Amino acid sequence: SQQGEEDPQALSIQEGENATMNCSYKTSINNLQWYRQNSGRGLVHLILIRSNEREKHSGRLRVTLDTSKKSSSLLITASRAADTASYFCATTYYGNNRLAFGKGNQVVVIP
Amino acid sequence: GAGVSQSPRYKVAKRGQDVALRCDPISGHVSLFWYQQALGQGPEFLTYFQNEAQLDKSGLPSDRFFAERPEGSVSTLKIQRTQQEDSAVYLCASSTRRPGELFFGEGSRLTVL
Repeated sequence: SQQGEEDPQALSIQEGENATMNCSYKTSINNLQWYRQNSGRGLVHLILIRSNEREKHSGRLRVTLDTSKKSSSLLITASRAADTASYFCATTYYGNNRLAFGKGNQVVVIP
Repeated sequence: GAGVSQSPRYKVAKRGQDVALRCDPISGHVSLFWYQQALGQGPEFLTYFQNEAQLDKSGLPSDRFFAERPEGSVSTLKIQRTQQEDSAVYLCASSTRRPGELFFGEGSRLTVL
């Protein structure tokens, strides 16, 4: 079963706008990661945030983590057409090797 | 190679046939994972190897699914007597350590007719 749940499921925005996605999880985590998947391709790691971190930046990406609400958000600033993809959050739990993925957000950036 | 390599990229099987999917992880990566991804869904964990040891196979959906990594490098996922519900993309990923960033292959798309 999926541990993370992203919201919203699908997002369509104009190039240059910001895109925000949210993810919730159920139990205490070790870390939370975000991945991107282009249609028909494998997943590409974007960013990892540890349970003791609250915010992390990487280029145009900003990730926040609120462990009290068991949620995370991914912000893509100044979106580009090449950002069109599905975005997944994934979590690992203490004492567990597996990375559990959410259902994903489909983002379409219109040029 | 520079990345995780999976073969075949596409496989069509008749119901009841056996299939074998291969994964070549990044050289030196200790951990190897198999995931199953249905259309429009997130990847679902199948199994995990650390070197040649299969440490977690709790995600394998039935005893028709079998995975091995005999020399701690290349891994094979075997599905016996395929069923239509086995149709999915099978993703392989490797990493240097756990629980860290996973490097994914392009996947093997299995269609069972």
